[in-house]
Amino acid sequence: AQSVTQLGSHVSVSEGALVLLRCNYSSSVPPYLFWYVQYPNQGLQLLLKYTSAATLVKGINGFEAEFKKSETSFHLTKPSAHMSDAAEYFCAVSEVDSSYKLIFGSGTRLLVRP
Amino acid sequence: GAGVSQSPSNKVTEKGKDVELRCDPISGHTALYWYRQSLGQGLEFLIYFQGNSAPDKSGLPSDRFSAERTGGSVSTLTIQRTQQEDSAVYLCASSQPNYNEQFFGPGTRLTVL
Repeated sequence: AQSVTQLGSHVSVSEGALVLLRCNYSSSVPPYLFWYVQYPNQGLQLLLKYTSAATLVKGINGFEAEFKKSETSFHLTKPSAHMSDAAEYFCAVSEVDSSYKLIFGSGTRLLVRP
Repeated sequence: GAGVSQSPSNKVTEKGKDVELRCDPISGHTALYWYRQSLGQGLEFLIYFQGNSAPDKSGLPSDRFSAERTGGSVSTLTIQRTQQEDSAVYLCASSQPNYNEQFFGPGTRLTVL
């Protein structure tokens, strides 16, 4: 069964600092990978996705992620944090030849200090 | 265009009562998903619809949970004889056929007293 591990339930950075949120997956076949963001009392919004094209994926709000097959990782980064980035971030994987249901990591709450 | 909508946004019920949660997907999206988000279990898949059929129900936690979809559009998730452990946010998502991007609704927060 596929699984996703997000290291660090909470990450705190200063405004303007680099954001790095870690995600590792387990899959027997190349998966589709996603990062979603959830603001308080809202649903999930897609930040970016990897679907076997370019390994460096750029998303919305200045976020990007790099698919590294050798490390089974898909870490999310942003060069400079903004206060509005404070939210919960979820990494997810879906199988290619199935229902495309998403298997989520446990989430990382990003805190941005002024 | 309109996104995925869910109703009600909040539902408070007493233990043992039945509840119905509604999801209106994006027009033209034939795939529809239900997920549950709870403090103890995180985000969990419940059920997947393609059109009106549900080829993957593997995430439904018990036979108290059921869902249907009519007209290839609106879906209803029903929880019978609710228990306190059913308290969670229930999220609905939809996508185009064989397309991997799911669009999520705002969720229904269910509280079972």
